[in-house]
Amino acid sequence: SQTIHQWPATLVQPVGSPLSLECTVEGTSNPNLYWYRQAAGRGLQLLFYSVGIGQISSEVPQNLSASRPQDRQFILSSKKLLLSDSGFYLCAWVPGTGGTEAFFGQGTRLTVV
Amino acid sequence: ILNVEQSPQSLHVQEGDSTNFTCSFPSSNFYALHWYRWETAKSPEALFVMTLNGDEKKKGRISATLNTKEGYSYLYIKGSQPEDSATYLCAFNDYKLSFGAGTTVTVRA
Repeated sequence: SQTIHQWPATLVQPVGSPLSLECTVEGTSNPNLYWYRQAAGRGLQLLFYSVGIGQISSEVPQNLSASRPQDRQFILSSKKLLLSDSGFYLCAWVPGTGGTEAFFGQGTRLTVV
Repeated sequence: ILNVEQSPQSLHVQEGDSTNFTCSFPSSNFYALHWYRWETAKSPEALFVMTLNGDEKKKGRISATLNTKEGYSYLYIKGSQPEDSATYLCAFNDYKLSFGAGTTVTVRA
């Protein structure tokens, strides 16, 4: 069966420090991968998506970047965190063939202090 | 940025009453329309994935319809219960999977 792992669950980081959130998927190949942030009054804001290794599309200009070094690994990064980066981040995947629901990680609560 | 609009933003329902709300999306490049039930700071729970114009799906007291030609979907809750209180998200899947802002439903006992 397919599963998705996202870590860490919570993170407190000082302003200016780097960030690395990791998401891995098991039990499938060539998934479409997504990073979202919960934004006040805006539901889930799409940050990045990837349809294959090394293919990253950015939806919102920001202080973050994403990488997909392996088929089932999606990483959200920042070189220097801002206070405004605080929030709840969710990783998700959809089978590359589409037509089914998205499966979400458990989320990461990031607090930048 | 893709515009997926949900309305109303929030609504209050008396226990036992039925309600419905809307998701509108671009009518071009349609692949699928998703509905999720979401509690803040948790993972969204999938309700429906709809791909065909005219689709109607049902899960217990919750059902949804889809009109891809005019770009809208309705979600219905029949006989609302307090446990139905949540935010309901729709998402337009053209490989980007863009979510609307959600409709927050509060069911009063």
